[in-house]
Amino acid sequence: QQPVQSPQAVILREGEDAVINCSSSKALYSVHWYRQKHGEAPVFLMILLKGGEQKGHEKISASFNEKKQQSSLYLTASQLSYSGTYFCGTEMSRRDDKIIFGKGTRLHILP
Amino acid sequence: NAGVTQTPKFQVLKTGQSMTLQCAQDMNHEYMSWYRQDPGMGLRLIHYSVGAGITDQGEVPNGYNVSRSTTEDFPLRLLSAAPSQTSVYFCASSYAESYEQFFGPGTRLTVL
Repeated sequence: QQPVQSPQAVILREGEDAVINCSSSKALYSVHWYRQKHGEAPVFLMILLKGGEQKGHEKISASFNEKKQQSSLYLTASQLSYSGTYFCGTEMSRRDDKIIFGKGTRLHILP
Repeated sequence: NAGVTQTPKFQVLKTGQSMTLQCAQDMNHEYMSWYRQDPGMGLRLIHYSVGAGITDQGEVPNGYNVSRSTTEDFPLRLLSAAPSQTSVYFCASSYAESYEQFFGPGTRLTVL
């Protein structure tokens, strides 16, 4: 079942923060985050496995709340290079094998 | 390493024609998958494979066939192309399903 992402689109000024949410109606085993720039292939950002550990590097981090079946991606002090479409992908169980992506969140950073 | 390669980059078909989209990876990854991307729909899983000889259906498998005879290759076949199959197709591979997926550059397919 396709996860739901919110918001659908965000416009920020450089230096502002953003939060992108990903929610599921079913229990999750893992959440995957990818970023895609226009005309390019998606690029991996991070994976969060069941356990609630927050991961990230530099100014992009994410959390995974198993009980709420939600994940959030945090972009701090956004840079122009952060512009693109962000996708979350979810796995329902360790044996599920399928990674189902949401419809994406378009992020546009203004100078 | 070339990573994940896809051919062709662009293709125009007429309704009813068949064709195969090629995908290959040189990272010895067990897990491979095919997605289609349409405006506003995100990435939708067509078929996936957890290893040579093993394939399974994703969210939107109708009209597509796959096979996985080797670890490296995972071709996607359109048996009888329809305008609804106009899309950008991405192939991806990873060590396993809960690991980072590497995406190919994509194939832009138009069915007239």
